[in-house]
Amino acid sequence: GAGVSQTPSNKVTEKGKYVELRCDPISGHTALYWYRQSLGQGPEFLIYFQGTGAADDSGLPNDRFFAVRPEGSVSTLKIQRTERGDSAVYLCASSFRDRGLLTFGSGTRLTVV
Amino acid sequence: QKEVEQDPGPLSVPEGAIVSLNCTYSNSAFQYFMWYRQYSRKGPELLMYTYSSGNKEDGRFTAQVDKSSKYISLFIRDSQPSDSATYLCAMSATTGGFKTIFGAGTRLFVKA
Repeated sequence: GAGVSQTPSNKVTEKGKYVELRCDPISGHTALYWYRQSLGQGPEFLIYFQGTGAADDSGLPNDRFFAVRPEGSVSTLKIQRTERGDSAVYLCASSFRDRGLLTFGSGTRLTVV
Repeated sequence: QKEVEQDPGPLSVPEGAIVSLNCTYSNSAFQYFMWYRQYSRKGPELLMYTYSSGNKEDGRFTAQVDKSSKYISLFIRDSQPSDSATYLCAMSATTGGFKTIFGAGTRLFVKA
């Protein structure tokens, strides 16, 4: 596609529920990143994929968070047993190769009530 | 201490002013230095990038990197109300992957 697409744009869920956030990167971009952004803060790194494998998952806050990219294109960020503190905008970005020059989607605004 | 430090502002200037935005960092392995602009409820968009030290100019924007001081700057000349946004500095290393680390962002308001 022309840009990075994230769905849904907004998600409201109850505490304790499971959510999946989807990212469709720019065609041909091999690197894919997930970030989390809280109000008034910069994007916080979560995980980075090079192809199908997670090259760096050091930013995932705990084992409730997991991400996959099974065919090296679309990625899904999965959050189990959601907590109110998980409320944030989850941003996905992709880049050609892995030069760190990122193109971002508009994000998924997650609200846990 | 955070790897990247950026004053969150807000910074308010009159139209036509020169704006100076800055970040400091602690990781000497950083080699790529970027500035992103983020409008409300949108994802960040890449504005400028510089590899290693030096200056880079693009229209009204100039990015400077001083690796010896671990200090980067973005200058905006003849600022316009449409420049009102949050400006995020970001940087990445060429070793250990290209995990890009962001500053907190500086909110800029340009008054007409």
